Amino acid sequence: ETGVTQSPTHLIKTRGQQVTLRCSSQSGHNTVSWYQQALGQGPQFIFQYYREEENGRGNFPPRFSGLQFPNYSSELNVNALELDDSALYLCASSLAGTDTDTQYFGPGTRLTVL
Amino acid sequence: DQQVKQNSPSLSVQEGRISILNCDYTNSMFDYFLWYKKYPAEGPTFLISISSIKDKNEDGRFTVFLNKSAKHLSLHIVPSQPGDSAVYFCAASVDSYGGSQGNLIFGKGTKLSVKP
Repeated sequence: ETGVTQSPTHLIKTRGQQVTLRCSSQSGHNTVSWYQQALGQGPQFIFQYYREEENGRGNFPPRFSGLQFPNYSSELNVNALELDDSALYLCASSLAGTDTDTQYFGPGTRLTVL
Repeated sequence: DQQVKQNSPSLSVQEGRISILNCDYTNSMFDYFLWYKKYPAEGPTFLISISSIKDKNEDGRFTVFLNKSAKHLSLHIVPSQPGDSAVYFCAASVDSYGGSQGNLIFGKGTKLSVKP
């Protein structure tokens, strides 16, 4: 069974640029959730995708957007980067429709905005 | 306003003893709770969960207790091992059979150090 993978591991961007982060779900999972973890904080929910549709969104502006593909992999796109976007971005996959749809996390992408 | 609170930023325990990590929540709509462990440079690893219809769930050395009236849960690790040293996050959600568990609300974490 393949776990959740994310790419890239680290990324450095400048303010105003755009970034795309990628996530491959654990095999058999159909739901992907994205979280932002700032230093010293717990992860904060950005949004979730289920069967290629957005299925819930946290308190993040529209410049945070996402996609889920037919193979259940996913992308997180952030436009017009700001310094406060510097954080660890975590992807989690789960199997919706079961009574134990626990989320399993990838290792994260560390984004630094200069 | 933090809906899930872990008031102890750190905890130090001797190897072999019990580690007790605490978590409080404010939202009475939460009905599913999880604990995750996180090592540096890794993503959170799922440890154990509990539904609000239970007050205890046990998995090996890990036991989670839920006190709904106090809106409090705790994770007990017995016996503690040096490999348990990590940051532990408490998370809560409104469980929805259908995949809307997505909106996990996390605490800020407690750093556990288990000394040999």
